[in-house]
Amino acid sequence: EVQLVESGGGLVQPGGSLRLSCAASGFTFSDHYMEWVRQAPGKGLEWVGRSRNKANSYSTEYAASVKGRFTISRDESKNSLYLQMNSLKTEDTAVYYCARDLDTNWFDPWGQGTLVTVSS
Amino acid sequence: DIQLTQSPSFLSASVGDRVTITCRASQGISNFLAWFQQKPGKAPKLLIYAASTLQTGVPSRFSGSGSGTEFTLTISSLQPEDFATYYCQLLYSYPLTFGQGTRLEIK
Repeated sequence: EVQLVESGGGLVQPGGSLRLSCAASGFTFSDHYMEWVRQAPGKGLEWVGRSRNKANSYSTEYAASVKGRFTISRDESKNSLYLQMNSLKTEDTAVYYCARDLDTNWFDPWGQGTLVTVSS
Repeated sequence: DIQLTQSPSFLSASVGDRVTITCRASQGISNFLAWFQQKPGKAPKLLIYAASTLQTGVPSRFSGSGSGTEFTLTISSLQPEDFATYYCQLLYSYPLTFGQGTRLEIK
């Protein structure tokens, strides 16, 4: 069974940093594109960024709202995806989900999410 | 950036009704569109990909259609478990934008 489990969320002050993790199991991690998506409280979904698969050198793409502040990486040995978030702003407050791509698109499945709160 | 406009934002319907949700792209995106269902406190679930392909395990009362700039998600006969929020998403170019969502509630 494919499973994604996020961790690392919590309360952080504006300007601070946080690293989220997404532990993957049940599939060949290196073969798949992976995504981060967030959802602010009571709001819609916002794509954060993408990590392509090993065949594409794990290259990344980012939304304009996080580019230069957030970095996506992987640890193949741990089957884990990471989201390093720096220079956090109050508007980064959200539930952060990781998702696997079915092919090179189509986000499925998703993890349960982890809440990040940026507040003083 | 390509914009997605989803309508309606809110829909009230009864069990057994047929409902349609529309997603319009500001420029052509071929069939690079997905539909998701999200229930309160849960992660989104993929329903339809490539505009019209039903994801494995999704009931056949869900269907998707369209290409280019206009897309629809249809639920042929609403069931109690279908009351949720629905999102479209484009995957043609970056950013991989989601629609604003359609909240489907019981009348």
